Amino acid sequence: DGGITQSPKYLFRKEGQNVTLSCEQNLNHDAMYWYRQDPGQGLRLIYYSQIVNDFQKGDIAEGYSVSREKKESFPLTVTSAQKNPTAFYLCASSTQTGGGYTFGSGTRLTVV
Amino acid sequence: DAKTTQPPSMDCAEGRAANLPCNHSTISGNEYVYWYRQIHSQGPQYIIHGLKNNETNEMASLIITEDRKSSTLILPHATLRDTAVYYCIVRVALLGANTGNQFYFGTGTSLTVIP
Repeated sequence: DGGITQSPKYLFRKEGQNVTLSCEQNLNHDAMYWYRQDPGQGLRLIYYSQIVNDFQKGDIAEGYSVSREKKESFPLTVTSAQKNPTAFYLCASSTQTGGGYTFGSGTRLTVV
Repeated sequence: DAKTTQPPSMDCAEGRAANLPCNHSTISGNEYVYWYRQIHSQGPQYIIHGLKNNETNEMASLIITEDRKSSTLILPHATLRDTAVYYCIVRVALLGANTGNQFYFGTGTSLTVIP
């Protein structure tokens, strides 16, 4: 079955360390997105990519970086510059022509 | 910023219809209304979307007013598994090259289905 996979489900990071969250899709979707969700809050867009080798900043890109070397993959790196990284991170994908998003099951990152 | 307004929370008795309202008074003519829901600590799940006609699928019905400034998501027979946060989203188009269809998620409506 086609879908979008995020790993790991839970991630712990020490302060000052970079960490990379994985997002893989086999839906042949062109566009991919990363959102952050804090407790009791809505989703906020971090980065998005419409095509391979291209990506754009969302509303809260500071302290994050991404790459899009393959259509299927859109990893997110949370750098040490992100002051409050503890959150639930969601990856999504969609076709270029619109339609809805397909979401992954999320990665919960905790800084210890 | 999100272009929709939803009540923060609602309750519904199990087996009854749940009617979730959404205001989107600044919607443009070519923008769709989408509904998603999110069960705790999971990724949002697509429910339904529409442009101006009412829509129905196996999960829900979407009623859009004639002026398109508001809509209502109807879960006809709510079950305990329908307890979730429901997001009403208007799809916006980004400006510039490589534009796409980005979704802005607000805080949604937290629906609690009561036994």
